[in-house]
Amino acid sequence: DIVLTQSPDFLSVTPKEKVTITCRASESIGGTLHWYQQKPGQSPKLLIKYASQSFSGVPSRFSGSGSATHFTLTIDSLEAEDAATYYCHQSTEFPQTFGQGTKVEIK
Amino acid sequence: EVQLLESGGGLVQPGGSLRLACAGSGFDFSISAMNWVRQAPGKGLDWVSTISGSGGSTYYADSVKGRFTISRDNSKNTVFLQMSSLRTEDTGVYYCAQAPRVVSPCDYWGQGALVTVSS
Repeated sequence: DIVLTQSPDFLSVTPKEKVTITCRASESIGGTLHWYQQKPGQSPKLLIKYASQSFSGVPSRFSGSGSATHFTLTIDSLEAEDAATYYCHQSTEFPQTFGQGTKVEIK
Repeated sequence: EVQLLESGGGLVQPGGSLRLACAGSGFDFSISAMNWVRQAPGKGLDWVSTISGSGGSTYYADSVKGRFTISRDNSKNTVFLQMSSLRTEDTGVYYCAQAPRVVSPCDYWGQGALVTVSS
């Protein structure tokens, strides 16, 4: 199985700061890496698909980059509403797998 | 507007069975792959199963293979997850999620159905 490891596990950030979350895959997955946001008590929402493509309606402060085994999610100028847990997900092969999540807290 | 509405969750004893349903609207259901992803209390996301648009291809996590069955009724825009021989570790919120293809991101997610396996 492909293991996705996110870092860090937790971030405490002030508004307007830039946030970078990393996802590393245990083997190359090309560009089939996706990012989701899950706010407390809500279902996940797709932010970025195929490493760098923004999903419809997602604010432009969210961006993704990377390929093969190293991927990043960047939030430029964090807003209070961005407090959430972020997950990466690979759909290269079955079983599909998710990273363990990165919780972003607003200071 | 895409909507996914899960139903069928509840409390069941270990070894019991439960069937979840997810009704979709606002998209072309019959060509969309459908996924079930679960989340144990306070834990991360865990992929469970995927079915192709036609229903001809199905995929399962090893942890549920032989116990869970995914199926769909395209005439009713509904996907199902039949869960048998349930274990306490199957407890969690079960989300259905729509995807354009079998191997693609989950574009839209339902609100989730809570399954509690406990004696």
